[in-house]
Amino acid sequence: GESVGLHLPTLSVQEGDNSIINCAYSNSASDYFIWYKQESGKGPQFIIDIRSNMDKRQGQRVTVLLNKTVKHLSLQIAATQPGDSAVYFCAENWDDSWGKLQFGAGTQVVVTP
Amino acid sequence: SAVISQKPSRDICQRGTSLTIQCQVDSQVTMMFWYRQQPGQSLTLIATANQGSEATYESGFVIDKFPISRPNLTFSTLTVSNMSPEDSSIYLCSALLAISYNEQFFGPGTRLTVL
Repeated sequence: GESVGLHLPTLSVQEGDNSIINCAYSNSASDYFIWYKQESGKGPQFIIDIRSNMDKRQGQRVTVLLNKTVKHLSLQIAATQPGDSAVYFCAENWDDSWGKLQFGAGTQVVVTP
Repeated sequence: SAVISQKPSRDICQRGTSLTIQCQVDSQVTMMFWYRQQPGQSLTLIATANQGSEATYESGFVIDKFPISRPNLTFSTLTVSNMSPEDSSIYLCSALLAISYNEQFFGPGTRLTVL
Protein backbone atom coordinates (compact mmCIF):
# COMPACT_ATOMS: atom_id res chain seq x y z
CA GLY A 1 0.00 0.00 0.00
CA GLU A 2 0.92 3.68 -0.14
CA SER A 3 1.43 5.94 2.82
CA VAL A 4 2.73 9.40 3.38
CA GLY A 5 5.86 9.59 5.47
CA LEU A 6 7.42 12.59 7.15
CA HIS A 7 9.02 13.74 3.91
CA LEU A 8 8.41 11.23 1.15
CA PRO A 9 5.44 9.02 0.35
CA THR A 10 6.33 5.35 0.66
CA LEU A 11 5.28 2.46 -1.53
CA SER A 12 5.70 -1.00 -0.02
CA VAL A 13 5.87 -3.79 -2.58
CA GLN A 14 6.33 -7.50 -2.21
CA GLU A 15 9.21 -9.00 -4.12
CA GLY A 16 8.03 -10.27 -7.49
CA ASP A 17 5.02 -7.99 -7.67
CA ASN A 18 4.71 -5.07 -10.05
CA SER A 19 5.23 -1.52 -8.77
CA ILE A 20 3.49 1.59 -10.00
CA ILE A 21 4.90 4.95 -9.02
CA ASN A 22 2.92 8.05 -9.85
CA CYS A 23 3.93 11.64 -10.45
CA ALA A 24 1.98 14.80 -11.19
CA TYR A 25 4.01 17.34 -13.11
CA SER A 26 3.52 21.06 -12.99
CA ASN A 27 4.23 22.70 -16.34
CA SER A 28 1.92 22.07 -19.29
CA ALA A 29 4.74 23.29 -21.56
CA SER A 30 7.03 20.47 -20.43
CA ASP A 31 7.92 18.23 -23.32
CA TYR A 32 10.51 15.89 -21.85
CA PHE A 33 10.24 13.72 -18.76
CA ILE A 34 12.68 11.49 -16.95
CA TRP A 35 12.51 8.99 -14.13
CA TYR A 36 15.47 8.76 -11.77
CA LYS A 37 16.32 6.23 -9.10
CA GLN A 38 18.29 7.36 -6.06
CA GLU A 39 19.80 4.86 -3.66
CA SER A 40 20.93 5.90 -0.23
CA GLY A 41 24.16 7.90 -0.34
CA LYS A 42 24.25 8.11 -4.13
CA GLY A 43 23.29 10.56 -6.83
CA PRO A 44 20.19 10.04 -8.97
CA GLN A 45 20.54 7.42 -11.68
CA PHE A 46 18.72 7.73 -15.02
CA ILE A 47 16.10 5.02 -15.55
CA ILE A 48 14.00 5.97 -18.56
CA ASP A 49 12.75 9.04 -20.37
CA ILE A 50 9.83 9.99 -22.59
CA ARG A 51 9.04 12.90 -24.87
CA SER A 52 5.65 14.55 -24.95
CA ASN A 53 4.83 13.20 -28.41
CA MET A 54 4.64 9.71 -26.90
CA ASP A 55 2.31 8.25 -24.29
CA LYS A 56 4.23 5.10 -23.50
CA ARG A 57 7.81 3.92 -23.57
CA GLN A 58 9.25 0.62 -22.44
CA GLY A 59 12.67 -0.32 -21.16
CA GLN A 60 14.06 -3.34 -19.43
CA ARG A 61 11.46 -4.20 -16.74
CA VAL A 62 10.27 -0.59 -16.71
CA THR A 63 7.50 1.24 -18.53
CA VAL A 64 6.73 4.94 -18.41
CA LEU A 65 3.25 6.22 -19.17
CA LEU A 66 2.47 9.85 -19.91
CA ASN A 67 -0.99 11.43 -19.75
CA LYS A 68 -0.66 15.03 -20.88
CA THR A 69 -4.35 15.74 -20.40
CA VAL A 70 -4.06 15.46 -16.63
CA LYS A 71 -0.30 16.14 -16.43
CA HIS A 72 0.43 12.73 -14.99
CA LEU A 73 3.40 10.44 -15.34
CA SER A 74 3.82 6.92 -14.02
CA LEU A 75 6.63 4.40 -13.79
CA GLN A 76 5.84 0.72 -13.77
CA ILE A 77 8.46 -1.74 -12.57
CA ALA A 78 7.79 -5.37 -13.44
CA ALA A 79 8.72 -8.18 -11.06
CA THR A 80 10.12 -5.86 -8.40
CA GLN A 81 13.39 -6.99 -6.86
CA PRO A 82 15.12 -6.05 -3.59
CA GLY A 83 17.60 -4.00 -5.62
CA ASP A 84 14.73 -1.77 -6.72
CA SER A 85 14.41 -0.39 -3.19
CA ALA A 86 15.24 3.30 -3.55
CA VAL A 87 13.69 6.73 -3.90
CA TYR A 88 12.22 7.41 -7.32
CA PHE A 89 11.90 10.91 -8.76
CA CYS A 90 10.19 12.15 -11.86
CA ALA A 91 11.68 15.20 -13.52
CA GLU A 92 10.40 17.49 -16.24
CA ASN A 93 12.06 19.78 -18.76
CA TRP A 94 10.91 22.16 -21.45
CA ASP A 95 12.53 23.46 -24.61
CA ASP A 96 13.42 26.98 -23.58
CA SER A 97 15.14 25.70 -20.44
CA TRP A 98 16.95 22.76 -21.93
CA GLY A 99 18.71 20.66 -19.32
CA LYS A 100 17.16 22.46 -16.35
CA LEU A 101 15.25 19.73 -14.59
CA GLN A 102 12.38 20.31 -12.21
CA PHE A 103 12.06 17.35 -9.89
CA GLY A 104 8.95 15.94 -8.31
CA ALA A 105 8.67 15.17 -4.62
CA GLY A 106 9.89 11.58 -4.86
CA THR A 107 8.53 8.22 -3.73
CA GLN A 108 10.33 5.81 -1.43
CA VAL A 109 9.93 2.24 -2.69
CA VAL A 110 10.49 -0.51 -0.15
CA VAL A 111 10.62 -4.07 -1.45
CA THR A 112 9.75 -6.73 1.08
CA PRO A 113 10.64 -10.41 0.76
CA SER B 1 27.99 6.19 -19.26
CA ALA B 2 29.89 9.10 -17.75
CA VAL B 3 31.65 9.07 -14.44
CA ILE B 4 31.13 12.22 -12.42
CA SER B 5 33.21 12.66 -9.30
CA GLN B 6 32.79 15.18 -6.53
CA LYS B 7 35.13 16.27 -3.79
CA PRO B 8 34.71 16.26 -0.87
CA SER B 9 32.11 13.55 -0.45
CA ARG B 10 31.12 15.03 2.88
CA ASP B 11 32.19 17.73 5.29
CA ILE B 12 31.24 19.24 8.59
CA CYS B 13 31.79 22.99 8.75
CA GLN B 14 31.41 25.82 11.21
CA ARG B 15 28.93 28.59 10.53
CA GLY B 16 30.38 31.63 8.84
CA THR B 17 32.96 29.65 6.88
CA SER B 18 32.92 28.71 3.19
CA LEU B 19 33.33 25.39 1.41
CA THR B 20 34.24 24.78 -2.21
CA ILE B 21 32.96 21.62 -3.88
CA GLN B 22 34.64 20.28 -6.99
CA CYS B 23 33.00 18.36 -9.82
CA GLN B 24 34.90 16.51 -12.53
CA VAL B 25 33.35 14.71 -15.52
CA ASP B 26 35.27 12.09 -17.49
CA SER B 27 33.48 12.68 -20.81
CA GLN B 28 32.85 15.55 -23.19
CA VAL B 29 30.18 17.72 -21.63
CA THR B 30 27.76 20.22 -23.12
CA MET B 31 26.12 21.54 -19.99
CA MET B 32 26.80 21.34 -16.26
CA PHE B 33 24.44 22.10 -13.41
CA TRP B 34 24.43 22.30 -9.62
CA TYR B 35 21.52 21.04 -7.50
CA ARG B 36 20.73 21.07 -3.80
CA GLN B 37 18.91 18.29 -2.00
CA GLN B 38 17.82 19.05 1.53
CA PRO B 39 17.46 16.11 3.92
CA GLY B 40 14.62 13.79 2.88
CA GLN B 41 13.56 16.06 0.06
CA SER B 42 13.76 16.42 -3.69
CA LEU B 43 16.38 18.15 -5.80
CA THR B 44 16.32 21.86 -6.54
CA LEU B 45 18.35 23.44 -9.32
CA ILE B 46 20.76 26.08 -8.06
CA ALA B 47 22.37 27.21 -11.31
CA THR B 48 23.72 26.36 -14.71
CA ALA B 49 27.51 26.45 -14.78
CA ASN B 50 28.63 28.22 -17.95
CA GLN B 51 32.10 27.69 -19.31
CA GLY B 52 34.19 30.82 -19.13
CA SER B 53 31.36 33.08 -18.03
CA GLU B 54 29.12 33.76 -15.05
CA ALA B 55 26.74 31.03 -13.99
CA THR B 56 22.99 31.39 -14.55
CA TYR B 57 21.17 31.25 -11.21
CA GLU B 58 17.65 30.09 -10.49
CA SER B 59 15.20 32.07 -8.43
CA GLY B 60 16.22 32.10 -4.79
CA PHE B 61 19.92 31.54 -5.41
CA VAL B 62 22.50 34.31 -5.80
CA ILE B 63 26.10 34.49 -6.88
CA ASP B 64 27.35 36.00 -3.63
CA LYS B 65 26.11 32.99 -1.69
CA PHE B 66 26.88 30.29 -4.27
CA PRO B 67 29.73 31.40 -6.53
CA ILE B 68 30.31 28.92 -9.34
CA SER B 69 33.23 28.50 -11.69
CA ARG B 70 33.61 26.41 -14.81
CA PRO B 71 37.08 27.00 -16.22
CA ASN B 72 36.82 24.22 -18.80
CA LEU B 73 34.28 21.87 -20.32
CA THR B 74 34.57 19.07 -17.78
CA PHE B 75 35.25 20.77 -14.44
CA SER B 76 33.21 23.03 -12.20
CA THR B 77 33.24 24.26 -8.61
CA LEU B 78 30.47 25.42 -6.31
CA THR B 79 31.28 27.45 -3.22
CA VAL B 80 28.83 27.67 -0.34
CA SER B 81 29.72 30.99 1.30
CA ASN B 82 29.21 32.28 4.81
CA MET B 83 27.48 29.06 5.79
CA SER B 84 24.63 28.71 8.25
CA PRO B 85 22.94 25.52 9.53
CA GLU B 86 20.21 26.07 6.89
CA ASP B 87 22.82 25.30 4.23
CA SER B 88 23.13 21.73 5.49
CA SER B 89 22.22 19.71 2.41
CA ILE B 90 23.53 17.42 -0.25
CA TYR B 91 24.98 19.33 -3.18
CA LEU B 92 25.05 17.52 -6.51
CA CYS B 93 26.54 18.39 -9.83
CA SER B 94 25.14 17.03 -13.07
CA ALA B 95 26.14 17.04 -16.71
CA LEU B 96 24.61 16.64 -20.13
CA LEU B 97 27.03 14.81 -22.34
CA ALA B 98 27.91 15.64 -25.90
CA ILE B 99 27.18 12.09 -26.98
CA SER B 100 23.94 11.46 -25.08
CA TYR B 101 22.12 14.77 -25.59
CA ASN B 102 19.19 13.93 -23.36
CA GLU B 103 20.55 11.85 -20.54
CA GLN B 104 21.66 13.92 -17.59
CA PHE B 105 24.16 12.24 -15.30
CA PHE B 106 24.59 13.10 -11.65
CA GLY B 107 27.56 13.00 -9.37
CA PRO B 108 27.41 11.16 -6.03
CA GLY B 109 26.80 14.37 -4.11
CA THR B 110 28.59 16.22 -1.32
CA ARG B 111 26.90 15.95 2.07
CA LEU B 112 27.41 19.19 3.96
CA THR B 113 26.63 19.67 7.64
CA VAL B 114 26.94 23.15 9.10
CA LEU B 115 27.18 23.45 12.89
